Amino acid sequence: NAGVTQTPKFRILKIGQSMTLQCTQDMNHNYMYWYRQDPGMGLKLIYYSVGAGITDKGEVPNGYNVSRSTTEDFPLRLELAAPSQTSVYFCASRHPMVPNQPQHFGDGTRLSIL
Amino acid sequence: QKEVEQNSGPLSVPEGAIASLNCTYSDRGSQSFFWYRQYSGKSPELIMFIYSNGDKEDGRFTAQLNKASQYVSLLIRDSQPSDSATYLCAVNPNAGGTSYGKLTFGQGTILTVHP
Repeated sequence: NAGVTQTPKFRILKIGQSMTLQCTQDMNHNYMYWYRQDPGMGLKLIYYSVGAGITDKGEVPNGYNVSRSTTEDFPLRLELAAPSQTSVYFCASRHPMVPNQPQHFGDGTRLSIL
Repeated sequence: QKEVEQNSGPLSVPEGAIASLNCTYSDRGSQSFFWYRQYSGKSPELIMFIYSNGDKEDGRFTAQLNKASQYVSLLIRDSQPSDSATYLCAVNPNAGGTSYGKLTFGQGTILTVHP
């Protein structure tokens, strides 16, 4: 059982480039989330989705876009990379119907923008 | 004002001692509280969750919740060097209805257990 899979694990971008961070889960979870974690800080919510076709902004959505065409996949898009987006990005998923269920995290994508 | 606050530490305890990690939150309507452990360069992993006032024990770990004081803590008994990590407190807020499981994280407390 793979759980939550993120690709790539590492990436270096130049300022102004674009890229998509991939996230897929095989647990049939409707709820999915994207977080970023800056050094020495906690996680901040970028976007979340409660099911295919439904997405909403989190705390720090500027500079990012998401889509959710299937239950399994929740890609995060950076259109014009900026140095402030250098961070570690975590994708997570959760079962919606079981109370107090924890979020399951992927291994993260470490992104540097130079 | 930060919504979830933790002392960033580092907190250093000797092996075998009790480590006490604290967290306060601002949203009085918060429903669920989670403690995650994060090793350097790794993703967060769940240690415990609690949603009722009082204590909840799981092995060497005890979570304590006091909703009146808006305070949640994690005690680690018989601390081991392998417990050295960053501990993240996360809160499921009450967004005036369903919060869709969204979590607000504190900045984390670095714990070091020395032999």
